[in-house]
Amino acid sequence: QVQLQQSGPGLVKPSQTLSLTCAISGDSVSSNSVGWNWIRQSPSRGLEWLGRTYYRSKWNNDYAESVKSRIIINPDTSKNHFSLQLNSVTPEDTAVYYCAREDWKYHWFAPWGQGTLVTVSS
Amino acid sequence: EIVLTQSPDFQSVTPKEKVTITCRASQSIGSSLHWYQQKPDQSPKLLIEYASQSSSGVPSRFSGSGSGTDFTLTINSLEVEDAATYYCHQSSSLPLTFGGGTKVEIK
Repeated sequence: QVQLQQSGPGLVKPSQTLSLTCAISGDSVSSNSVGWNWIRQSPSRGLEWLGRTYYRSKWNNDYAESVKSRIIINPDTSKNHFSLQLNSVTPEDTAVYYCAREDWKYHWFAPWGQGTLVTVSS
Repeated sequence: EIVLTQSPDFQSVTPKEKVTITCRASQSIGSSLHWYQQKPDQSPKLLIEYASQSSSGVPSRFSGSGSGTDFTLTINSLEVEDAATYYCHQSSSLPLTFGGGTKVEIK
């Protein structure tokens, strides 16, 4: 059974970098039949897909246009996890952040991590 | 970007009643539409894959239908434990997008 465990700080100052990690058990970050995603949820924006990383002979990334200039999603094969870095955060980036595994045949998300509330405030 | 519009936003329902939630896509997405259930303080959980396929372990009272631009999630004989917000999600094209959610409350 695949499980995702998120970690990272819940408070980030404006203009700084938000960093979260998603540890994978029961699957491999290097699997060529899944993708590894970050999604956030806020009252104002609802559920918003941020981006993904996946391995298909080489590592690939896709990012949402809304955050493309500020986001990096990286795999770490030695630790079997993947991470989210969101630079230059503002209070509008305050949200619950989720990691999620993406089935590569039909592209649904399951499972999801437990969620991390990240507040951007000084 | 494909916009998903769910209706209604909110529904208050008596146990054993039937619930119907719709999701309309701004352009045709074939069957690349999935449904999730999110209970308070929990992560979303996959209910229906690819418009009409029930995910493993999901009770049979949940079903999905539709293709193209119009999709439906049906809960037959609502149970108290089904109180949650339901979201649709399209995977036809990037960016992957979600509907705004439908909150189902038990009367």
